[in-house]
Amino acid sequence: DGGITQSPKYLFRKEGQNVTLSCEQNLNHDAMYWYRQDPGQGLRLIYYSQIVNDFQKGDIAEGYSVSREKKESFPLTVTSAQKNPTAFYLCASSISGAQVNTEAFFGQGTRLTVV
Amino acid sequence: GENVEQHPSTLSVQEGDSAVIKCTYSDSASNYFPWYKQELGKGPQLIIDIRSNVGEKKDQRIAVTLNKTAKHFSLHITETQPEDSAVYFCAAIYGDYKLSFGAGTTVTVRA
Repeated sequence: DGGITQSPKYLFRKEGQNVTLSCEQNLNHDAMYWYRQDPGQGLRLIYYSQIVNDFQKGDIAEGYSVSREKKESFPLTVTSAQKNPTAFYLCASSISGAQVNTEAFFGQGTRLTVV
Repeated sequence: GENVEQHPSTLSVQEGDSAVIKCTYSDSASNYFPWYKQELGKGPQLIIDIRSNVGEKKDQRIAVTLNKTAKHFSLHITETQPEDSAVYFCAAIYGDYKLSFGAGTTVTVRA
């Protein structure tokens, strides 16, 4: 089955610790994205990557970091510099970054709680 | 980035009635407008999309309309069923290929 997998589903961390969220896709998609979802708000773009070894900041990149060493993997690190890290994090992928074909497929999300 | 406004934030309808969600966007260069459905604890799933070269698109009980002049687009769900209860997000593309999402509409279908 092709798809996009996020792990873990739930994650608890102490304040001040860095934490890495996993995102893997076997759809052979070039583009991958990370979004943050807070209650009553839409999805906000954290980082995106059009191709391996390249990524760009989204609208709320402060306190986050990413890497794209492999086409199928786009891990997100929530650092201690992120002031309000508790949220639902969604990873997505699309075939390419071109506007003509931008259907995004989402993972099931990771709910991060910082205590 | 693109600013997408979505209304209403909550919508309660009787089973069998229609539901309409409206969105406006700010970037006149946007040409791709998807709608996503998100069930509790899950990631959003694309249910329908429309590109700027068409004004309306239908898929069974779901339809989307686009008015590029007014910069707004709408989702219409007819003959609503309990399984239609979910959060619906509209989105518009901006820049090269980034999607900007509305705040979401929580739809509840009453049996």
